[in-house]
Amino acid sequence: QVQLVQSGSELKKPGASVKVSCKTSGYIFTHYGMDWVRQAPGQGLEWMGWINPNSENPKYAQAFKGRSVLSLDTSVSTAYLQINNLEVEDTAVYYCARSDLVVPAAPDYWGQGTLVAVSS
Amino acid sequence: SYVLTQPPSVSVTPGKTATIMCGGINIGDKSVHWYQQKPGQAPVLLIYFDSDRPSGIPERFSGSNSGNTATLTISRVEAGDDADYYCQVWDSGSDHLVFGGGTKLTVL
Repeated sequence: QVQLVQSGSELKKPGASVKVSCKTSGYIFTHYGMDWVRQAPGQGLEWMGWINPNSENPKYAQAFKGRSVLSLDTSVSTAYLQINNLEVEDTAVYYCARSDLVVPAAPDYWGQGTLVAVSS
Repeated sequence: SYVLTQPPSVSVTPGKTATIMCGGINIGDKSVHWYQQKPGQAPVLLIYFDSDRPSGIPERFSGSNSGNTATLTISRVEAGDDADYYCQVWDSGSDHLVFGGGTKLTVL
């Protein structure tokens, strides 16, 4: 069965970096894209970006350009989200979600989410 | 950028039908997908490409899309349907995925 298993919760100080992993199984990794979605406490879903395993040319939502980096390691079927220069406002649950291969659309399987807390 | 508008909340009594709308300019020209999210859980895909259901999703959940409004309909509402619901599209203009603000469905 399709599974996306994310790394555990993180507590970081402002200005630090965090790297969240999303290990997949149960499907051919290179046949799908990967979306990343943020959910701040008590808020809705916010799309961060999408990466295609074949071109590795990520697309980013405007709000996440610059400090967020999406990457892949196809050898271990794992996707990564790195956020640099963390701010308190980055405190949120971050989800990876299997997406279309060609465009970011209709993510069907989701990871369990990773809580990133940023506090001084 | 493309904007999807949902009502913040909808209330319904068990056994009745709940309707959740998602508004967007010419949304009928796009493919709309719907997600259910319960507290502390990841979202679950409920409806894709306007009206298709993934395997395992009850027939009580249905979707439609026309003009400037897409609609998620939940028939014979159950207590377990109490959750947040999000619509989503891919906006070709920006090449971005867009979520609606979400609707909290309360089963009274």
